[in-house]
Amino acid sequence: AQSVAQPEDQVNVAEGNPLTVKCTYSVSGNPYLFWYVQYPNRGLQFLLKYITGDNLVKGSYGFEAEFNKSQTSFHLKKPSALVSDSALYFCAVRDMGAGNMLTFGGGTRLMVKP
Amino acid sequence: KAGVTQTPRYLIKTRGQQVTLSCSPISGHRSVSWYQQTPGQGLQFLFEYFSETQRNKGNFPGRFSGRQFSNSRSEMNVSTLELGDSALYLCASSLGPEGAYEQYFGPGTRLTVT
Repeated sequence: AQSVAQPEDQVNVAEGNPLTVKCTYSVSGNPYLFWYVQYPNRGLQFLLKYITGDNLVKGSYGFEAEFNKSQTSFHLKKPSALVSDSALYFCAVRDMGAGNMLTFGGGTRLMVKP
Repeated sequence: KAGVTQTPRYLIKTRGQQVTLSCSPISGHRSVSWYQQTPGQGLQFLFEYFSETQRNKGNFPGRFSGRQFSNSRSEMNVSTLELGDSALYLCASSLGPEGAYEQYFGPGTRLTVT
């Protein structure tokens, strides 16, 4: 079975500071990893994914994530936070060979204060 | 390209009724997945369709069903509605069923059961 943990319900950061949203996963095989963002009353918006190759993945809106196989982590990062980054962030995992079923973490609310 | 569209956006039903939700994927996308989002349970996978065939099913009762048409459009049906079925139902499409493809989500259908 596959699972995802986002240990922080909320992350607070000041505008201009770097941000990190944490994610750890568990799969039986090799993982496909994804980050999505959800704004109020909206669906999920794809940010980035790790499939294979370089452990540092760059995505939309200046976000990036680092895949760490030994720590089974896939933390989302941004060098300089914007107020408009405030939203709900979801990490998701899919086990290779498990079809299209995504397993999501519980979500982390990011609050960026001016 | 137009995104994933879901209709209706909002729905109010009473216990015992049934409901049908519709999803039109991004043009060219052949795989459609459905998820339920609630504050308590988070995002949970319902089922996935590709080429009009259900490929995966999540841990939901048989009251939840779906189908996919030859044009890749999909519907999900919930019969004998219960109060606990109140949720945001999200549809996602991807190019194919292979796990490396990211899923693109629609805005969701907000179902309220009274």
